[in-house]
Amino acid sequence: KAGVTQTPRYLIKTRGQQVTLSCSPISGHRSVSWYQQTPGQGLQFLFEYFSETQRNKGNFPGRFSGRQFSNSRSEMNVSTLELGDSALYLCASSLALGGADHTQYFGPGTRLTVL
Amino acid sequence: TQLLEQSPQFLSIQEGENLTVYCNSSSVFSSLQWYRQEPGEGPVLLVTVVTGGEVKKLKRLTFQFGDARKDSSLHITAAQPGDTGLYLCAGAEGGYQKVTFGTGTKLQVIP
Repeated sequence: KAGVTQTPRYLIKTRGQQVTLSCSPISGHRSVSWYQQTPGQGLQFLFEYFSETQRNKGNFPGRFSGRQFSNSRSEMNVSTLELGDSALYLCASSLALGGADHTQYFGPGTRLTVL
Repeated sequence: TQLLEQSPQFLSIQEGENLTVYCNSSSVFSSLQWYRQEPGEGPVLLVTVVTGGEVKKLKRLTFQFGDARKDSSLHITAAQPGDTGLYLCAGAEGGYQKVTFGTGTKLQVIP
Protein backbone atom coordinates (compact mmCIF):
# COMPACT_ATOMS: atom_id res chain seq x y z
CA LYS A 1 0.00 0.00 0.00
CA ALA A 2 1.41 3.37 -0.98
CA GLY A 3 2.12 5.82 1.81
CA VAL A 4 1.10 9.42 2.19
CA THR A 5 2.39 11.57 -0.65
CA GLN A 6 2.91 15.30 -0.61
CA THR A 7 3.66 17.64 -3.46
CA PRO A 8 5.73 19.59 -4.03
CA ARG A 9 8.59 18.52 -1.74
CA TYR A 10 10.30 21.89 -1.87
CA LEU A 11 8.97 25.34 -2.60
CA ILE A 12 10.47 28.82 -2.61
CA LYS A 13 8.15 31.83 -2.59
CA THR A 14 8.42 35.53 -1.84
CA ARG A 15 6.52 37.55 0.73
CA GLY A 16 2.97 38.39 -0.30
CA GLN A 17 2.56 35.44 -2.65
CA GLN A 18 0.24 32.56 -2.02
CA VAL A 19 0.93 28.84 -2.10
CA THR A 20 -1.06 25.61 -2.40
CA LEU A 21 0.23 22.32 -1.03
CA SER A 22 -1.23 18.94 -1.88
CA CYS A 23 -1.58 15.71 0.06
CA SER A 24 -2.76 12.28 -1.03
CA PRO A 25 -3.59 10.01 1.92
CA ILE A 26 -3.12 6.29 2.21
CA SER A 27 -5.79 4.47 0.23
CA GLY A 28 -8.87 3.94 2.40
CA HIS A 29 -7.95 6.66 4.89
CA ARG A 30 -10.61 9.30 5.29
CA SER A 31 -8.98 11.74 7.68
CA VAL A 32 -6.23 14.18 6.72
CA SER A 33 -4.46 16.49 9.15
CA TRP A 34 -1.99 19.27 8.45
CA TYR A 35 0.86 20.40 10.70
CA GLN A 36 3.46 23.14 10.59
CA GLN A 37 6.86 22.28 11.99
CA THR A 38 9.57 24.81 12.80
CA PRO A 39 12.70 24.46 14.95
CA GLY A 40 11.42 26.92 17.49
CA GLN A 41 7.77 25.90 17.79
CA GLY A 42 7.87 22.19 17.11
CA LEU A 43 4.90 20.42 15.55
CA GLN A 44 1.84 22.66 15.47
CA PHE A 45 -1.60 21.49 14.41
CA LEU A 46 -3.26 23.42 11.57
CA PHE A 47 -6.49 21.57 10.80
CA GLU A 48 -8.04 18.19 10.24
CA TYR A 49 -10.53 17.08 7.62
CA PHE A 50 -12.73 14.02 7.65
CA SER A 51 -15.21 13.18 4.90
CA GLU A 52 -14.66 16.61 3.29
CA THR A 53 -15.54 18.47 6.50
CA GLN A 54 -13.16 20.38 8.72
CA ARG A 55 -13.42 18.68 12.13
CA ASN A 56 -10.69 20.44 14.07
CA LYS A 57 -8.76 23.64 13.69
CA GLY A 58 -5.58 24.90 15.29
CA ASN A 59 -4.69 28.40 16.32
CA PHE A 60 -3.53 29.83 13.00
CA PRO A 61 -4.66 33.00 11.20
CA GLY A 62 -7.26 32.90 8.44
CA ARG A 63 -4.48 33.09 5.83
CA PHE A 64 -4.16 29.35 6.34
CA SER A 65 -6.99 27.36 4.82
CA GLY A 66 -7.61 23.88 3.58
CA ARG A 67 -10.06 21.59 1.93
CA GLN A 68 -10.63 17.92 1.29
CA PHE A 69 -12.02 16.35 -1.83
CA SER A 70 -14.38 13.41 -2.22
CA ASN A 71 -11.42 11.08 -2.88
CA SER A 72 -9.93 12.19 0.49
CA ARG A 73 -7.09 14.09 -1.16
CA SER A 74 -6.46 17.39 0.58
CA GLU A 75 -4.95 20.76 -0.17
CA MET A 76 -3.87 23.56 2.06
CA ASN A 77 -3.46 27.14 0.99
CA VAL A 78 -1.50 29.96 2.55
CA SER A 79 -2.20 33.44 1.26
CA THR A 80 -0.14 36.60 1.67
CA LEU A 81 2.97 34.71 2.71
CA GLU A 82 5.15 36.04 5.51
CA LEU A 83 8.75 35.23 6.33
CA GLY A 84 7.56 33.39 9.45
CA ASP A 85 5.62 30.92 7.32
CA SER A 86 8.88 29.25 6.32
CA ALA A 87 8.54 25.75 7.72
CA LEU A 88 8.13 22.07 7.00
CA TYR A 89 4.45 21.41 6.32
CA LEU A 90 3.41 17.89 7.14
CA CYS A 91 0.31 16.02 6.13
CA ALA A 92 -0.90 12.96 8.03
CA SER A 93 -3.68 10.54 7.21
CA SER A 94 -5.64 8.21 9.43
CA LEU A 95 -8.34 5.64 8.92
CA ALA A 96 -10.95 7.49 10.96
CA LEU A 97 -11.36 9.72 14.00
CA GLY A 98 -10.93 8.51 17.56
CA GLY A 99 -8.92 5.81 19.30
CA ALA A 100 -6.49 3.54 17.48
CA ASP A 101 -8.14 4.34 14.13
CA HIS A 102 -6.86 7.88 14.62
CA THR A 103 -3.25 6.69 14.39
CA GLN A 104 -1.66 9.10 11.96
CA TYR A 105 0.73 8.25 9.14
CA PHE A 106 2.83 11.12 7.87
CA GLY A 107 4.01 12.13 4.47
CA PRO A 108 7.56 13.35 3.81
CA GLY A 109 6.51 16.99 4.08
CA THR A 110 6.80 20.09 1.94
CA ARG A 111 9.66 22.41 2.80
CA LEU A 112 8.44 25.97 2.20
CA THR A 113 10.92 28.82 2.17
CA VAL A 114 9.61 32.39 2.05
CA LEU A 115 12.10 35.04 0.93
CA THR B 1 -6.39 22.02 25.36
CA GLN B 2 -4.79 18.69 26.12
CA LEU B 3 -1.05 18.69 26.73
CA LEU B 4 1.50 15.95 26.37
CA GLU B 5 4.82 16.68 28.02
CA GLN B 6 7.92 14.77 27.10
CA SER B 7 11.11 14.50 29.09
CA PRO B 8 13.92 14.96 28.65
CA GLN B 9 13.84 17.54 25.87
CA PHE B 10 17.38 16.72 24.77
CA LEU B 11 19.53 13.68 25.32
CA SER B 12 23.08 13.07 24.15
CA ILE B 13 24.53 9.67 25.01
CA GLN B 14 27.31 7.33 23.97
CA GLU B 15 26.68 4.32 21.78
CA GLY B 16 25.78 1.30 23.90
CA GLU B 17 24.08 3.21 26.70
CA ASN B 18 20.45 2.73 27.71
CA LEU B 19 17.89 5.51 27.91
CA THR B 20 14.25 6.17 28.74
CA VAL B 21 11.99 8.88 27.36
CA TYR B 22 8.79 9.83 29.17
CA CYS B 23 5.48 11.14 27.89
CA ASN B 24 3.01 12.48 30.46
CA SER B 25 -0.45 13.98 30.40
CA SER B 26 -3.32 14.75 32.70
CA SER B 27 -5.71 13.42 30.06
CA VAL B 28 -6.77 9.87 29.35
CA PHE B 29 -6.07 8.64 25.83
CA SER B 30 -7.69 5.70 24.12
CA SER B 31 -4.49 5.09 22.19
CA LEU B 32 -0.98 6.47 22.16
CA GLN B 33 1.62 6.48 19.41
CA TRP B 34 5.38 6.92 19.29
CA TYR B 35 7.16 8.33 16.25
CA ARG B 36 10.75 8.93 15.21
CA GLN B 37 11.59 11.78 12.89
CA GLU B 38 14.81 12.52 11.05
CA PRO B 39 15.68 16.06 9.86
CA GLY B 40 13.70 17.18 6.82
CA GLU B 41 11.47 14.11 6.82
CA GLY B 42 8.05 13.27 8.19
CA PRO B 43 7.65 11.38 11.49
CA VAL B 44 7.63 7.60 11.10
CA LEU B 45 5.26 5.58 13.26
CA LEU B 46 7.05 3.19 15.62
CA VAL B 47 4.18 1.76 17.65
CA THR B 48 0.57 2.23 18.77
CA VAL B 49 -0.46 1.13 22.28
CA VAL B 50 -4.11 0.92 23.27
CA THR B 51 -4.45 -1.03 26.52
CA GLY B 52 -3.53 0.34 29.96
CA GLY B 53 -0.38 -1.41 31.19
CA GLU B 54 0.46 -2.67 27.71
CA VAL B 55 4.12 -3.31 26.88
CA LYS B 56 5.33 -3.63 23.30
CA LYS B 57 8.82 -4.44 22.11
CA LEU B 58 10.39 -3.50 18.80
CA LYS B 59 13.91 -4.96 18.72
CA ARG B 60 15.85 -2.81 21.21
CA LEU B 61 12.91 -0.46 21.86
CA THR B 62 10.37 -1.14 24.63
CA PHE B 63 7.17 0.89 24.86
CA GLN B 64 4.88 0.97 27.85
CA PHE B 65 1.43 2.51 28.24
CA GLY B 66 0.53 3.55 31.78
CA ASP B 67 -2.20 1.70 33.64
CA ALA B 68 -4.39 4.81 33.66
CA ARG B 69 -3.62 5.52 29.98
CA LYS B 70 -2.28 8.98 30.81
CA ASP B 71 1.43 8.35 30.35
CA SER B 72 3.88 6.29 28.38
CA SER B 73 7.57 5.53 28.23
CA LEU B 74 10.04 4.50 25.57
CA HIS B 75 13.14 2.60 26.64
CA ILE B 76 16.04 2.00 24.27
CA THR B 77 18.61 -0.64 25.13
CA ALA B 78 22.19 -0.37 23.85
CA ALA B 79 21.55 2.76 21.78
CA GLN B 80 23.11 2.98 18.34
CA PRO B 81 23.89 6.02 16.15
CA GLY B 82 20.97 5.00 13.92
CA ASP B 83 18.62 5.74 16.83
CA THR B 84 19.47 9.43 16.56
CA GLY B 85 16.41 11.55 15.85
CA LEU B 86 13.43 13.37 17.29
CA TYR B 87 11.07 11.12 19.24
CA LEU B 88 7.45 12.22 19.46
CA CYS B 89 4.56 10.76 21.39
CA ALA B 90 0.95 11.41 20.37
CA GLY B 91 -2.34 10.69 22.09
CA ALA B 92 -5.68 10.00 20.45
CA GLU B 93 -8.94 10.46 22.31
CA GLY B 94 -12.36 9.31 21.24
CA GLY B 95 -14.79 11.06 18.97
CA TYR B 96 -13.73 14.04 16.91
CA GLN B 97 -10.96 15.25 19.22
CA LYS B 98 -7.72 16.01 17.45
CA VAL B 99 -4.58 13.99 18.05
CA THR B 100 -2.31 15.68 20.58
CA PHE B 101 1.44 15.59 20.03
CA GLY B 102 4.11 15.77 22.68
CA THR B 103 6.83 18.39 22.83
CA GLY B 104 9.46 15.97 21.49
CA THR B 105 12.75 14.49 22.69
CA LYS B 106 15.82 15.08 20.58
CA LEU B 107 18.19 12.13 20.90
CA GLN B 108 21.79 12.08 19.76
CA VAL B 109 23.77 8.87 19.99
CA ILE B 110 27.50 9.44 19.67
CA PRO B 111 29.60 6.64 18.11
